Amino acid sequence: GAGVSQSPRYKVAKRGQDVALRCDPISGHVSLFWYQQALGQGPEFLTYFQNEAQLDKSGLPSDRFFAERPEGSVSTLKIQRTQQEDSAVYLCASSSRHLWGYTFGSGTRLTVV
Amino acid sequence: TQLLEQSPQFLSIQEGENLTVYCNSSSVFSSLQWYRQEPGEGPVLLVTVVTGGEVKKLKRLTFQFGDARKDSSLHITAAQPGDTGLYLCAGDPGSARQLTFGSGTQLTVLP
Repeated sequence: GAGVSQSPRYKVAKRGQDVALRCDPISGHVSLFWYQQALGQGPEFLTYFQNEAQLDKSGLPSDRFFAERPEGSVSTLKIQRTQQEDSAVYLCASSSRHLWGYTFGSGTRLTVV
Repeated sequence: TQLLEQSPQFLSIQEGENLTVYCNSSSVFSSLQWYRQEPGEGPVLLVTVVTGGEVKKLKRLTFQFGDARKDSSLHITAAQPGDTGLYLCAGDPGSARQLTFGSGTQLTVLP
């Protein structure tokens, strides 16, 4: 596609519920990144894929967070047993060459109530 | 952990004024990127600087990478209301696997 597509745009989850956030990167982009952005803050790194391989997951805040990219294109970020502190905007970005920077999606705003 | 500090955090100016936003770190980055983010949208890449001392211009925006590749600045000349947004700097430590973002500068340009 022309840009990075994320769905849903908004998600309200009850505390304890599992959620799945989808990212459809730019076609042909090898690298895919997930970031978490709290209100009024810069994005914070969660995890990185090169094709289907998850090469860095050092930013995932707990074992409740899980990401996958099984065929090297679409990626899903799953959060199990959501907590209020998980409320944030989750941004996906893709890149073909890191020197050219990332193309971000519009994000999914997750609110845990 | 590499940190990037941006200043000022908030900036409100009148149309036509000039401004500078700073991005500082104690760590060296192989490259540094500047993004602009509008409400409800993801950050949009403005520029990538790679070489120490490098200066890049994008219309009324001038970006500079410090000689030691630890800091950067963004200067806007004759700001316009359309420049309003959250400006983010992001450093690549060299792994190409993740960026470290600053906390951002929220710029408001009043007509």
